[in-house]
This record gives sequence, C-alpha cells and structure tokens, in this order.
Amino acid sequence: AQSVTQLDSHVSVSEGTPVLLRCNYSSSYSPSLFWYVQHPNKGLQLLLKYTSAATLVKGINGFEAEFKKSETSFHLTKPSAHMSDAAEYFCVVSSPGGYNKLIFGAGTRLAVHP
Amino acid sequence: DGGITQSPKYLFRKEGQNVTLSCEQNLNHDAMYWYRQDPGQGLRLIYYSQIVNDFQKGDIAEGYSVSREKKESFPLTVTSAQKNPTAFYLCASMKMIGTPDNQETQYFGPGTRLLVL
Repeated sequence: AQSVTQLDSHVSVSEGTPVLLRCNYSSSYSPSLFWYVQHPNKGLQLLLKYTSAATLVKGINGFEAEFKKSETSFHLTKPSAHMSDAAEYFCVVSSPGGYNKLIFGAGTRLAVHP
Repeated sequence: DGGITQSPKYLFRKEGQNVTLSCEQNLNHDAMYWYRQDPGQGLRLIYYSQIVNDFQKGDIAEGYSVSREKKESFPLTVTSAQKNPTAFYLCASMKMIGTPDNQETQYFGPGTRLLVL
C-alpha cells in the first residue's frame, strides 16, 4: 500500500530565509511524486513532479525537490522565502493502476513573516 | 483560455436537499475526478471517470452521485444521504494518453465550498 507522510503540519519562516517542507512516502513500486500548493479558498496548483528522470526536480516559483530513494523522502525546498509563498502545500504520490489514483499527505501550512 | 471551471463558488444546502456541483474542462482531458477536502486534511477521492459514460467510486462515494455524458463535463450531486456534506469540493482532470511527462498530472479547478443551512 502507498502512503505519504508530511512531517510538519505548520512551518513558519522569515521572509528571505530558506524553506524546507518534509515529505516521506511509502510505495511498493517506483512512484511518481508531486508537490501541489493551495492558497486559501483556491484550487491546487502543481509546483513540481518526479517521474523517475532526474532526482532533483525544479518547479515553479523557485521551488525544488529531491527524490531520495534510500530515505524514501521527497522534501521541498526554496532558498529564499517570499511573502507570497504563504499557503498550504501537499505532497502527493501517484498509485499505479489504470486511473492514476493520487494519495495526498495531510498538508503543511507555510507561514512567512516579514 | 483553457482550464477547469467549477460553479458555483459557494453553495448552500438545506436539510434533505440534493445539490449539484458543476465541473467543466476545455483541456480535452480524458479523465476527470472529484475530491473532498476537510479542514486540516488532504484530499479524498469521491468519484472518477476515465471515459464518457463510465465512472467509478473512489474512497468516499457514499451519499454522492455523478454522471459523465460529455467529455467536458463531470457534475457531482450531493444527495440527502450524505449526512456531513460541509466541505470544499475540488474537481480535477488529466490527459490519459500523451507524453510520459504529462500523463499523470492532474490539474485542479478552483473549488466549490458547500455549506449546510
């Protein structure tokens, strides 16, 4: 069975400092992994995805994530936080099978302070 | 301007009433999905459809129904059997046939917030 664990429900950083949002996954197969961002009362926007190509994945808005199979991790990072990064972030794994079921983590709320 | 639209943005349901949430996409995507989001939780799959006139139950289908009469449209009905319908509902779509880079990415609409009166 596949699962996703986001290790922090809330993360708070100061503007201009690095961001680290942690995600561990469990999968019997070589997984596809995603990070989505959700601003309040909005839909989800894809930040980046890993599909067994390069292990370091670059996404939009300066975010990137590194797939580490040995640690079953897919942490999201950004060198310098911006106020507009404040949102909810979801780590997601795609389940193999005909309909590409997505398994969502519980989410990490990122707060950015001036 | 391509994308996924959901309407209404807010919906109020009275006791015992059925309500229908609209989801339309003009991305020519094959698969469509409905998710429910509760505060502090990730998304849970209600129903999905890979082709017209076919759909499957997800993890929490009880109290909901769907139809897929057109490729572009996948409406969700919240029936009176759903005893706790207050949530944020998100529709998503995905292209099933294409390059590996695009095949598994689900794209989401802006959501509908359902509230019970």
